[in-house]
Amino acid sequence: GQQLNQSPQSMFIQEGEDVSMNCTSSSIFNTWLWYKQEPGEGPVLLIALYKAGELTSNGRLTAQFGITRKDSFLNISASIPSDVGIYFCAGQLRGIQGAQKLVFGQGTRLTINP
Amino acid sequence: KAGVTQTPRYLIKTRGQQVTLSCSPISGHRSVSWYQQTPGQGLQFLFEYFSETQRNKGNFPGRFSGRQFSNSRSEMNVSTLELGDSALYLCASSLDTGGKETQYFGPGTRLLVL
Repeated sequence: GQQLNQSPQSMFIQEGEDVSMNCTSSSIFNTWLWYKQEPGEGPVLLIALYKAGELTSNGRLTAQFGITRKDSFLNISASIPSDVGIYFCAGQLRGIQGAQKLVFGQGTRLTINP
Repeated sequence: KAGVTQTPRYLIKTRGQQVTLSCSPISGHRSVSWYQQTPGQGLQFLFEYFSETQRNKGNFPGRFSGRQFSNSRSEMNVSTLELGDSALYLCASSLDTGGKETQYFGPGTRLLVL
């Protein structure tokens, strides 16, 4: 199935470090979304981006919608232990009569050493 | 406001059986989408329902079907289960006013096929 190219696949960092991950696609998306998933749970929405070039923050998280509409990045500043989890980017497509579909990246697994 | 709820949370079935999963969207949300998550394929779109109609469909065999009721609750059904159907099945809902939409996920139903 269609997937976005998300990197890195995993990160092992020290508490307090900054984190950066990104997604690229050969397709254009109307909306970019970033989710976090913890074991046994569904993805939780972190940030939604609706316009090319848009830069949005949510606490220590900052994400940008690429100007070409084919990429996005997520930064986490000053990481803390509760940031551990798998982060997914998702591009939203809207088709005929508003039909929606999310295309996901493979995920970035974040591990933090205290 | 209550989030997306899914029942059951866990399910064990044997090959050849069928299964029905249920999803209750966030109150007021009219669009419900279903995704399959596996370690090998990641998160893959199954289908989307809006106003009791399937509005979008992913690349899955006809054994996978769904429906939506007038109260926006949705069910998905998998017939003639195969071992490869073992996965986390996620439901997501969105308001769908044609504007800035985001999809909110439930906790998922973990299906194990033996």
